[in-house]
Amino acid sequence: DAKTTQPNSMESNEEEPVHLPCNHSTISGTDYIHWYRQLPSQGPEYVIHGLTSNVNNRMASLAIAEDRKSSTLILHRATLRDAAVYYCILDNYGQNFVFGPGTRLSVLP
Amino acid sequence: DTAVSQTPKYLVTQMGNDKSIKCEQNLGHDTMYWYKQDSKKFLKIMFSYNNKELIINETVPNRFSPKSPDKAHLNLHINSLELGDSAVYFCASSLGQGGRNGYTFGSGTRLTVV
Repeated sequence: DAKTTQPNSMESNEEEPVHLPCNHSTISGTDYIHWYRQLPSQGPEYVIHGLTSNVNNRMASLAIAEDRKSSTLILHRATLRDAAVYYCILDNYGQNFVFGPGTRLSVLP
Repeated sequence: DTAVSQTPKYLVTQMGNDKSIKCEQNLGHDTMYWYKQDSKKFLKIMFSYNNKELIINETVPNRFSPKSPDKAHLNLHINSLELGDSAVYFCASSLGQGGRNGYTFGSGTRLTVV
């Protein structure tokens, strides 16, 4: 059901940047690209979202390809607390808002 | 102060029972949602309420009924519970429909039907 594809898992060293890719080749013009992360036994936590332009906030940056068929979540300096499952989701007014399996990010000290 | 709170955190019950899960948000959001996360970790929207009106109702069994007494609360009532209803249920809220400003999720209710 999920309209995005992400790698199952990635590893990063602490204090290094992490680039989490997401493909969404069937994205429509009104789909927003959302990123959430989930720690074990917790609810999903909002990370960032965008439509066409790159976005920055205190948690991360979102780089959106010019054709919008892919995007990359960038964590500038990974910490141990960033270890989680990261979900890339397309949102069109909340319809068919489905989280896929996501990318499990491991951060090594 | 928890932004979106759900109770109970864990719920174990027998098949055939009726149960409710409560959700409250103190963010002043105008839209609230219920999501189900299955064993494969896929999380799917079940319902959303905007200004006390149901605006999305995915193909869920009619044994599930959302009830919203006011803008800050969206409870989930489940009748005649079945084994397949075992999952983690998340409540969420947003400002405006469709999460244009992002969704805030509760910590989940793990429902186990035995």
